[in-house]
Amino acid sequence: SQQGEEDPQALSIQEGENATMNCSYKTSINNLQWYRQNSGRGLVHLILIRSNEREKHSGRLRVTLDTSKKSSSLLITASRAADTASYFCATDARTGAQKLVFGQGTRLTINP
Amino acid sequence: NAGVTQTPKFRVLKTGQSMTLLCAQDMNHEYMYWYRQDPGMGLRLIHYSVGEGTTAKGEVPDGYNVSRLKKQNFLLGLESAAPSQTSVYFCASSGISQPQHFGDGTRLSIL
Repeated sequence: SQQGEEDPQALSIQEGENATMNCSYKTSINNLQWYRQNSGRGLVHLILIRSNEREKHSGRLRVTLDTSKKSSSLLITASRAADTASYFCATDARTGAQKLVFGQGTRLTINP
Repeated sequence: NAGVTQTPKFRVLKTGQSMTLLCAQDMNHEYMYWYRQDPGMGLRLIHYSVGEGTTAKGEVPDGYNVSRLKKQNFLLGLESAAPSQTSVYFCASSGISQPQHFGDGTRLSIL
């Protein structure tokens, strides 16, 4: 069973706009991570937010975490065509070995 | 720096055949993982290893076996391939308290 549910499943916006993706999960976590996957490639780690953190920034990325609602959001500001990819949230649910449970992903398309 | 390397990149098998997928990492990571990715399903953990000589079952281990005889290598075996095992397989590795690094995947079709 999958821990994370992502919303929306697909998102299409114009270049320069902001993109927001949401992730909900079911159990207590050590941390929540976001990954990007370009077509035909492996996943690339973007950002990690720990359970005691509420917000984290990395360049044009902003991640929030609400443990009371068991939800997270990823905001990409000033989107670029190169941001076109699938984005996955993954939770380290305290089951040991830093195992991650992935959501189904959001497919983001940036239109020039 | 190669990171995580998976071989082969593509393979077509007939039902009942066996094969081994190889994953190699050059980052001296303790943890290694095998996932499968199916359309609309995200990634699901097949098996994982917390160090040389150790393996453990993940979420979907049936039909697969693994071995980690050397720290840098993690092998995934299919003893008798079935069409349901048609998927894209990803290997990942991580150091302690570090995020996972992924290979570019092996696309496997079982006819």
